[in-house]
Amino acid sequence: QKEVEQNSGPLSVPEGAIASLNCTYSDRGSQSFFWYRQYSGKSPELIMFIYSNGDKEDGRFTAQLNKASQYVSLLIRDSQPSDSATYLCAGPLVGSQGNLIFGKGTKLSVKP
Amino acid sequence: DADVTQTPRNRITKTGKRIMLECSQTKGHDRMYWYRQDPGLGLRLIYYSFDVKDINKGEISDGYSVSRQAQAKFSLSLESAIPNQTALYFCATSDLDRAGELFFGEGSRLTVL
Repeated sequence: QKEVEQNSGPLSVPEGAIASLNCTYSDRGSQSFFWYRQYSGKSPELIMFIYSNGDKEDGRFTAQLNKASQYVSLLIRDSQPSDSATYLCAGPLVGSQGNLIFGKGTKLSVKP
Repeated sequence: DADVTQTPRNRITKTGKRIMLECSQTKGHDRMYWYRQDPGLGLRLIYYSFDVKDINKGEISDGYSVSRQAQAKFSLSLESAIPNQTALYFCATSDLDRAGELFFGEGSRLTVL
């Protein structure tokens, strides 16, 4: 069974700190990963995707992909209370025409 | 107005009833999906469609059926609802070549008593 796994948290960080969210995956052939943010009672929204090994930065967010170690991470710099949400990691569902398999999500709480 | 609209947003029904959840989109995307979300289980794919003539089962299709009435409309049916189908259901869309970049509707919360 190909899986994407996340620590469910909750992860609590103080305002202004760096939040580090991690995800591991089992399929060595996976090429691309996605991070979705889901506020309580809302639908998921895409915030980052990464297709190649290394880092990708977008504002306060950095996605990191390490194919050798099969992990993906999302760093949030200068965390704000508005970043408090559940973060879903997703990778390709093998043999499913590009569809995604989601991790169970990590709940992040940023304390003022 | 939302780009991906689901109706109803909330529904309470009884075991054995037929339920339809509807989804429409204005994004012009070819791909449409139905997911369910359960606490502790995450998002799981029920069905997906590339166009009106293409319907595919996802991870957990048993007990569900779908219809792609038009490029912009994709409905999910529970022919005979059971309590373990109580969940939050999301419709999503994506471009044909950008399957990982999903746009979700607001969700439909279904409770089966």
